[in-house]
Amino acid sequence: GAGVSQSPSNKVTEKGKDVELRCDPISGHTALYWYRQSLGQGLEFLIYFQGNSAPDKSGLPSDRFSAERTGGSVSTLTIQRTQQEDSAVYLCASSLRSQGVYEQYFGPGTRLTVT
Amino acid sequence: GENVEQHPSTLSVQEGDSAVIKCTYSDSASNYFPWYKQELGKRPQLIIDIRSNVGEKKDQRIAVTLNKTAKHFSLHITETQPEDSAVYFCAASITGGGNKLTFGTGTQLKVEL
Repeated sequence: GAGVSQSPSNKVTEKGKDVELRCDPISGHTALYWYRQSLGQGLEFLIYFQGNSAPDKSGLPSDRFSAERTGGSVSTLTIQRTQQEDSAVYLCASSLRSQGVYEQYFGPGTRLTVT
Repeated sequence: GENVEQHPSTLSVQEGDSAVIKCTYSDSASNYFPWYKQELGKRPQLIIDIRSNVGEKKDQRIAVTLNKTAKHFSLHITETQPEDSAVYFCAASITGGGNKLTFGTGTQLKVEL
């Protein structure tokens, strides 16, 4: 079946502009996670959703970052007034549930470059 | 919060040799430890995982060991092949706490012919 998809695959934006990143999880997966991977670094947790609720937003770096999920499916991560330090690959993952041992399946990521 | 350290950052082995990657975690509440493989330009993929009630798990050439007392876990790859070359990430999570993963910084494994 279809895996996790993300769009766009690449995004180049000017400093100060807003960007929206989209994640389509695997159908039926109620949990959705956003991570950020900076060049040569590990993955850093940003936020997760169970259904449409976000119980843990602790990884969002600043109030310029926000995310929402509607209909228990698609999620968008919005970065306002982008800064150069926001440049990274943003990865989305989904799993059947957020409680219990369920594999997280990752999308291909969106490479964001802020010039 | 949880902190995961991973060593070494790079590892070069000859084809057929074994490779070992080690991780330590800080939060004793963590109870799930997956390992992901990420090839260049591709998404991370789960290769093996272990729960805190198990000390060792094997899947063909791959094994993971967990020492809860010392709060460390390791990935062992035997009979390495060129296609094992990739970046490997360890991670830790609390399955009753949303299962958000805290990752190590990765190990670049190179298997040389």
